[in-house]
Amino acid sequence: GENVEQHPSTLSVQEGDSAVIKCTYSDSASNYFPWYKQELGKRPQLIIDIRSNVGEKKDQRIAVTLNKTAKHFSLHITETQPEDSAVYFCAASFPGANNLFFGTGTRLTVIP
Amino acid sequence: ETGVTQSPTHLIKTRGQQVTLRCSSQSGHNTVSWYQQALGQGPQFIFQYYREEENGRGNFPPRFSGLQFPNYSSELNVNALELDDSALYLCASSWTSGAFYNEQFFGPGTRLTVL
Repeated sequence: GENVEQHPSTLSVQEGDSAVIKCTYSDSASNYFPWYKQELGKRPQLIIDIRSNVGEKKDQRIAVTLNKTAKHFSLHITETQPEDSAVYFCAASFPGANNLFFGTGTRLTVIP
Repeated sequence: ETGVTQSPTHLIKTRGQQVTLRCSSQSGHNTVSWYQQALGQGPQFIFQYYREEENGRGNFPPRFSGLQFPNYSSELNVNALELDDSALYLCASSWTSGAFYNEQFFGPGTRLTVL
Protein backbone atom coordinates (compact mmCIF):
# COMPACT_ATOMS: atom_id res chain seq x y z
CA GLY A 1 0.00 0.00 0.00
CA GLU A 2 0.88 3.67 0.00
CA ASN A 3 3.38 5.06 2.50
CA VAL A 4 3.48 8.79 3.20
CA GLU A 5 6.35 10.40 5.08
CA GLN A 6 6.16 13.94 6.44
CA HIS A 7 8.83 16.38 7.67
CA PRO A 8 9.46 18.15 9.93
CA SER A 9 7.50 16.83 12.89
CA THR A 10 7.60 20.23 14.58
CA LEU A 11 8.11 23.69 13.13
CA SER A 12 8.28 27.06 14.87
CA VAL A 13 8.25 30.31 12.91
CA GLN A 14 7.94 33.97 13.74
CA GLU A 15 4.69 35.64 12.82
CA GLY A 16 4.92 36.94 9.26
CA ASP A 17 7.52 34.40 8.17
CA SER A 18 6.86 31.51 5.78
CA ALA A 19 6.44 27.86 6.72
CA VAL A 20 7.13 24.86 4.49
CA ILE A 21 6.12 21.27 5.20
CA LYS A 22 7.26 18.42 2.95
CA CYS A 23 5.84 14.99 2.22
CA THR A 24 6.95 12.05 0.11
CA TYR A 25 4.83 9.17 -1.11
CA SER A 26 5.70 5.71 -2.35
CA ASP A 27 2.97 4.67 -4.80
CA SER A 28 3.39 6.27 -8.22
CA ALA A 29 -0.31 5.59 -8.88
CA SER A 30 -1.34 8.13 -6.23
CA ASN A 31 -3.02 11.08 -7.87
CA TYR A 32 -4.74 13.07 -5.13
CA PHE A 33 -2.90 14.93 -2.39
CA PRO A 34 -4.86 16.85 0.25
CA TRP A 35 -3.58 18.79 3.22
CA TYR A 36 -5.51 18.89 6.47
CA LYS A 37 -5.26 21.26 9.43
CA GLN A 38 -6.21 19.87 12.83
CA GLU A 39 -6.53 22.14 15.82
CA LEU A 40 -6.35 20.67 19.30
CA GLY A 41 -9.39 18.51 20.01
CA LYS A 42 -11.00 19.21 16.66
CA ARG A 43 -11.62 17.36 13.41
CA PRO A 44 -9.16 17.48 10.49
CA GLN A 45 -10.21 20.17 8.03
CA LEU A 46 -9.18 20.27 4.40
CA ILE A 47 -7.21 23.42 3.64
CA ILE A 48 -5.99 22.71 0.12
CA ASP A 49 -5.59 19.78 -2.25
CA ILE A 50 -3.90 19.04 -5.55
CA ARG A 51 -4.37 16.43 -8.22
CA SER A 52 -1.58 14.88 -10.22
CA ASN A 53 -2.43 16.71 -13.43
CA VAL A 54 -1.16 20.04 -12.01
CA GLY A 55 2.14 21.01 -10.44
CA GLU A 56 1.06 23.88 -8.20
CA LYS A 57 -2.08 25.28 -6.63
CA LYS A 58 -2.51 28.43 -4.58
CA ASP A 59 -5.26 29.73 -2.32
CA GLN A 60 -4.48 33.09 -0.73
CA ARG A 61 -1.58 32.50 1.72
CA ILE A 62 -1.49 28.75 1.15
CA ALA A 63 0.09 26.91 -1.77
CA VAL A 64 0.90 23.31 -2.57
CA THR A 65 3.48 22.06 -5.05
CA LEU A 66 3.74 18.58 -6.49
CA ASN A 67 6.73 16.86 -8.09
CA LYS A 68 5.46 13.58 -9.55
CA THR A 69 8.87 12.46 -10.74
CA ALA A 70 10.38 12.74 -7.28
CA LYS A 71 7.11 11.70 -5.61
CA HIS A 72 7.00 14.57 -3.20
CA PHE A 73 4.67 17.45 -2.45
CA SER A 74 4.93 20.46 -0.18
CA LEU A 75 2.70 22.89 1.68
CA HIS A 76 3.75 26.53 1.74
CA ILE A 77 2.18 29.04 4.13
CA THR A 78 3.21 32.66 3.68
CA GLU A 79 2.75 35.58 6.09
CA THR A 80 2.03 33.21 8.94
CA GLN A 81 -0.35 34.26 11.69
CA PRO A 82 -0.83 32.90 15.23
CA GLU A 83 -4.11 31.27 14.15
CA ASP A 84 -2.12 29.13 11.70
CA SER A 85 -0.76 27.26 14.74
CA ALA A 86 -2.05 23.67 14.50
CA VAL A 87 -1.04 20.19 13.38
CA TYR A 88 -0.91 19.80 9.61
CA PHE A 89 -1.28 16.44 7.88
CA CYS A 90 -0.52 15.57 4.30
CA ALA A 91 -2.26 12.62 2.67
CA ALA A 92 -2.33 10.71 -0.59
CA SER A 93 -4.83 8.57 -2.43
CA PHE A 94 -4.79 6.52 -5.62
CA PRO A 95 -7.57 5.68 -8.08
CA GLY A 96 -10.11 3.26 -6.73
CA ALA A 97 -8.87 3.48 -3.15
CA ASN A 98 -11.09 6.36 -2.06
CA ASN A 99 -9.33 6.27 1.30
CA LEU A 100 -6.55 8.52 2.44
CA PHE A 101 -3.06 7.55 3.56
CA PHE A 102 -1.87 10.17 6.04
CA GLY A 103 1.54 11.41 7.03
CA THR A 104 2.50 11.59 10.70
CA GLY A 105 1.78 15.30 11.03
CA THR A 106 3.68 18.55 11.60
CA ARG A 107 3.01 20.67 14.64
CA LEU A 108 3.32 24.29 13.48
CA THR A 109 3.74 27.01 16.08
CA VAL A 110 3.60 30.64 14.98
CA ILE A 111 5.25 32.88 17.55
CA PRO A 112 3.67 36.34 17.84
CA GLU B 1 -18.27 22.78 10.05
CA THR B 2 -19.21 19.65 8.09
CA GLY B 3 -22.59 17.92 8.39
CA VAL B 4 -20.92 14.77 9.70
CA THR B 5 -21.78 13.88 13.29
CA GLN B 6 -20.45 11.20 15.62
CA SER B 7 -21.57 9.77 18.92
CA PRO B 8 -20.63 9.49 21.64
CA THR B 9 -18.04 12.24 22.05
CA HIS B 10 -16.08 10.40 24.72
CA LEU B 11 -16.15 6.84 25.96
CA ILE B 12 -14.29 4.93 28.65
CA LYS B 13 -14.18 1.14 28.53
CA THR B 14 -12.14 -1.62 30.15
CA ARG B 15 -10.04 -4.25 28.45
CA GLY B 16 -12.06 -7.08 26.93
CA GLN B 17 -15.24 -5.07 26.55
CA GLN B 18 -17.01 -4.26 23.31
CA VAL B 19 -17.83 -0.81 21.95
CA THR B 20 -20.04 0.63 19.22
CA LEU B 21 -19.37 4.03 17.71
CA ARG B 22 -21.81 5.83 15.42
CA CYS B 23 -21.50 8.19 12.50
CA SER B 24 -24.10 10.13 10.52
CA SER B 25 -22.86 11.04 7.08
CA GLN B 26 -23.33 14.37 5.36
CA SER B 27 -26.50 14.75 3.31
CA GLY B 28 -25.98 13.54 -0.25
CA HIS B 29 -23.00 11.35 0.61
CA ASN B 30 -23.05 7.57 0.11
CA THR B 31 -19.71 6.51 1.55
CA VAL B 32 -18.33 6.40 5.07
CA SER B 33 -14.71 5.75 5.96
CA TRP B 34 -13.40 5.10 9.47
CA TYR B 35 -9.99 6.12 10.75
CA GLN B 36 -8.14 5.55 14.02
CA GLN B 37 -5.94 8.40 15.23
CA ALA B 38 -3.61 7.53 18.08
CA LEU B 39 -2.19 10.40 20.12
CA GLY B 40 0.42 12.30 18.13
CA GLN B 41 -0.13 10.27 14.97
CA GLY B 42 -1.89 10.69 11.66
CA PRO B 43 -5.24 8.98 11.07
CA GLN B 44 -4.96 5.33 10.02
CA PHE B 45 -7.56 3.88 7.65
CA ILE B 46 -9.69 1.14 9.23
CA PHE B 47 -12.30 0.45 6.54
CA GLN B 48 -14.80 2.04 4.23
CA TYR B 49 -18.48 1.35 3.59
CA TYR B 50 -20.19 2.06 0.31
CA ARG B 51 -23.80 1.13 -0.40
CA GLU B 52 -23.96 -0.90 2.82
CA GLU B 53 -20.96 -3.09 1.98
CA GLU B 54 -17.35 -3.00 3.08
CA ASN B 55 -15.34 -1.39 0.27
CA GLY B 56 -11.74 -1.61 1.36
CA ARG B 57 -10.00 -2.32 4.63
CA GLY B 58 -6.76 -1.24 6.24
CA ASN B 59 -4.43 -3.27 8.40
CA PHE B 60 -6.82 -3.85 11.32
CA PRO B 61 -7.85 -7.21 12.83
CA PRO B 62 -11.32 -8.74 12.36
CA ARG B 63 -12.41 -7.62 15.82
CA PHE B 64 -12.89 -4.24 14.14
CA SER B 65 -16.12 -4.51 12.18
CA GLY B 66 -18.73 -2.18 10.82
CA LEU B 67 -22.09 -1.59 9.29
CA GLN B 68 -23.66 0.91 6.97
CA PHE B 69 -27.39 1.52 6.99
CA PRO B 70 -29.74 2.43 4.12
CA ASN B 71 -29.55 6.10 5.14
CA TYR B 72 -25.73 5.81 4.79
CA SER B 73 -25.05 6.26 8.48
CA SER B 74 -22.52 3.83 9.87
CA GLU B 75 -21.34 2.00 12.98
CA LEU B 76 -17.89 0.87 14.01
CA ASN B 77 -17.77 -2.06 16.41
CA VAL B 78 -14.68 -3.13 18.29
CA ASN B 79 -14.68 -6.40 20.25
CA ALA B 80 -12.26 -7.58 22.93
CA LEU B 81 -10.89 -4.10 23.53
CA GLU B 82 -7.15 -3.74 24.11
CA LEU B 83 -5.26 -0.88 25.73
CA ASP B 84 -3.80 0.08 22.33
CA ASP B 85 -7.30 0.70 21.01
CA SER B 86 -7.33 3.95 22.96
CA ALA B 87 -7.50 6.63 20.29
CA LEU B 88 -9.64 9.20 18.51
CA TYR B 89 -11.94 7.46 16.05
CA LEU B 90 -12.87 9.59 13.08
CA CYS B 91 -15.44 8.91 10.44
CA ALA B 92 -15.43 10.69 7.11
CA SER B 93 -18.21 10.84 4.56
CA SER B 94 -17.88 11.35 0.83
CA TRP B 95 -19.65 10.84 -2.44
CA THR B 96 -18.35 7.93 -4.48
CA SER B 97 -18.89 8.01 -8.21
CA GLY B 98 -16.68 5.82 -10.35
CA ALA B 99 -12.94 6.01 -9.75
CA PHE B 100 -12.82 9.78 -9.29
CA TYR B 101 -11.68 10.72 -5.82
CA ASN B 102 -13.98 13.07 -3.92
CA GLU B 103 -13.19 15.03 -0.79
CA GLN B 104 -13.79 13.34 2.54
CA PHE B 105 -15.49 15.37 5.24
CA PHE B 106 -14.54 14.41 8.76
CA GLY B 107 -16.74 14.19 11.81
CA PRO B 108 -15.62 15.53 15.22
CA GLY B 109 -14.48 12.09 16.37
CA THR B 110 -15.08 9.83 19.35
CA ARG B 111 -12.35 9.73 21.98
CA LEU B 112 -12.11 6.13 23.25
CA THR B 113 -10.12 5.35 26.37
CA VAL B 114 -9.49 1.72 27.29
CA LEU B 115 -8.42 1.09 30.89
